[in-house]
Amino acid sequence: GAGVSQSPSNKVTEKGKDVELRCDPISGHTALYWYRQSLGQGLEFLIYFQGNSAPDKSGLPSDRFSAERTGGSVSTLTIQRTQQEDSAVYLCASTPRVSETQYFGPGTRLLVL
Amino acid sequence: AQSVTQLGSHVSVSEGALVLLRCNYSSSVPPYLFWYVQYPNQGLQLLLKYTSAATLVKGINGFEAEFKKSETSFHLTKPSAHMSDAAEYFCAVDRREGNYQLIWGAGTKLIIKP
Repeated sequence: GAGVSQSPSNKVTEKGKDVELRCDPISGHTALYWYRQSLGQGLEFLIYFQGNSAPDKSGLPSDRFSAERTGGSVSTLTIQRTQQEDSAVYLCASTPRVSETQYFGPGTRLLVL
Repeated sequence: AQSVTQLGSHVSVSEGALVLLRCNYSSSVPPYLFWYVQYPNQGLQLLLKYTSAATLVKGINGFEAEFKKSETSFHLTKPSAHMSDAAEYFCAVDRREGNYQLIWGAGTKLIIKP
């Protein structure tokens, strides 16, 4: 079956512009995570959605970052007024239930000039 | 609070030699533990996981890890390294409480010398 997909695969933007990153989780997976992976560093948790519960936004680095998940499926991560330090690979993962294996998408590589 | 420490940002071994990647964790509850691998230009994929059954866990590509509660460790090993094992390896612990986040180590890049 199809895995987690993310789009775009690469995004180059200018400082100050807004960007939207999309994640399509595996069908039926109730939990969805967004992570950020900066060059040479581990994964930084951003936000977590589980079913219809309120998302855990504790990892979002600033109020320029937001995410939503429509219909319990597709999720969009929005970064407003992008800064150069936002440049990173943004990874999405989904899992059928909590404490289960996370399945990762290929990531979106964001470069802010 | 849970945390994960991976010793060594880079580990270099010769082809055919033993691979040992270290992971220590702290957790206030019995943890679930994971090793993920990221091959060059590829996404993260699960290598193996410990979920409180057998303490010795076997994963894909000949890797295994042993959960040692007394040492709070979950080191990853492979008896004989292959060139294709060159990748970055991440250890993670599942909080299993609250909002069930994975807490990630910083990663260890495994380099295989011919």
